[in-house]
Amino acid sequence: QSALTQPPSASGSPGQSVTISCTGTSSDVGGYNYVSWYQQHPGKAPKLMIYEVSKRPSGVPDRFSGSKSGNTASLTVSGLQAEDEADYYCSSYAGSNNLEVFGTGTKVTVL
Amino acid sequence: QVQLQESGPGLVKPSQTLSLTCTVSGGSISSGSYYWSWIRQPAGKGLEWIGRIYTSGSTNYNPSLKSRVTISVDTSKNQFSLKLSSVTAADTAVYYCARAYYDILTGTRYFDYWGQGTLVTVSS
Repeated sequence: QSALTQPPSASGSPGQSVTISCTGTSSDVGGYNYVSWYQQHPGKAPKLMIYEVSKRPSGVPDRFSGSKSGNTASLTVSGLQAEDEADYYCSSYAGSNNLEVFGTGTKVTVL
Repeated sequence: QVQLQESGPGLVKPSQTLSLTCTVSGGSISSGSYYWSWIRQPAGKGLEWIGRIYTSGSTNYNPSLKSRVTISVDTSKNQFSLKLSSVTAADTAVYYCARAYYDILTGTRYFDYWGQGTLVTVSS
């Protein structure tokens, strides 16, 4: 099972928006609406930001939104804030083999 | 509030077996609608899913590690464990345990609680 493909980096100024893509296959991202996104600050454990493609857990700001088209899922952070600077990972269920797969990770920089 | 805490040796010699335990507090590991996973992250690299165990004891493993991995659960201690055999330097990483919420009816699943992670170094 190959890792999902994410751009290595993305950046934006405070207040701007940044969108991160997560590309898989029909066996994972494209086949199931079980894509989730995690934020990881240096030295910290990942934190759930989005689940089931576009749902936000309680406590996650509505500046974070998710979507999916075909084999590609996306995370958009609107109104960038300094604390959004972190690594972001997507994850998907890979049902054909009943596995989980993570993305390669994207470092978001707030300029 | 559910909390997960990894424990185990921080240094393992090459060819030996890495053993870690995750202790769950604030909730029962036997509760339905959850499964329990191990995930690792080499320094400066991305997350890699190692495997999962359901409360029934059923397991699934990453094919790239399957021949060397065993995940088990001890419900009496509210713990689950990871064993990775024949380790090499490539197994050096921060190892996380995580709880996944799982809705058997809809199929939805996501990792909602994570341990803080523990660094395991493979070196002689």
